[in-house]
Amino acid sequence: EVQLVESGGGLVQPGRSLRLSCATSKFTFDDYAMHWVRQAPGKGLEWVSGISWDSGTIGYADSVKGRFTISRDNAKNSLYLQMHSLKAEDTAFYYCAKDGGLRYDGTTSLGLDYWGQGTLVTVSS
Amino acid sequence: QSVLTQPPSASGTPGQRVTISCSGSNSNVGSNYVYWYQQLPGTAPKLLIYRNSQRPSGVPGRFYGSKSGTSASLAISGLRSEDEADYYCASWDDSLSWVFGGGTKLTVL
Repeated sequence: EVQLVESGGGLVQPGRSLRLSCATSKFTFDDYAMHWVRQAPGKGLEWVSGISWDSGTIGYADSVKGRFTISRDNAKNSLYLQMHSLKAEDTAFYYCAKDGGLRYDGTTSLGLDYWGQGTLVTVSS
Repeated sequence: QSVLTQPPSASGTPGQRVTISCSGSNSNVGSNYVYWYQQLPGTAPKLLIYRNSQRPSGVPGRFYGSKSGTSASLAISGLRSEDEADYYCASWDDSLSWVFGGGTKLTVL
């Protein structure tokens, strides 16, 4: 069974940094695009960032552009999200999700077909 | 304020058919595929429909997706208690981002 396991969440002060990781298994990681999607407690889903299979194309939501950096290590079957200048409004569960296609954009996507259990990031002083 | 508009709530009795709408614009729903996700309480979202109307393996045929112009719909027939969940539509937007609806909470009465 495909597995995605996020880690790295926690309580962090505004303005500080945090790095999330997503360890994956039971699928050919470098055949698929990957995404980060977040959900503030009690709120809806918000796409954060996506990365194509080969890291060739990357995209960010306007709300995190310039502050967050997505990356992947295909040799380690892992996805990362480096978050800087964190704000209170970044408080959310962060989900790692596998795309059914090669690219993160809408051209090849077959939807986000597997999700991790999420890791909670709380930005507060 | 979400880019895609969904009703905040919907309800039905067991066995009924319910429909959840998703309204967008020419830059997203009108020119790109629509996806639907189901989120059961306390769990991660699950892909329900991809590319407007395709069901991943394991998703029952009771779930049906459709799209017309800048609007899309998810229909659930033969409603069951285990269908009680939050449902989200999503689409690629030509501004180079994925956009979601605000979600619809489905209650099975």
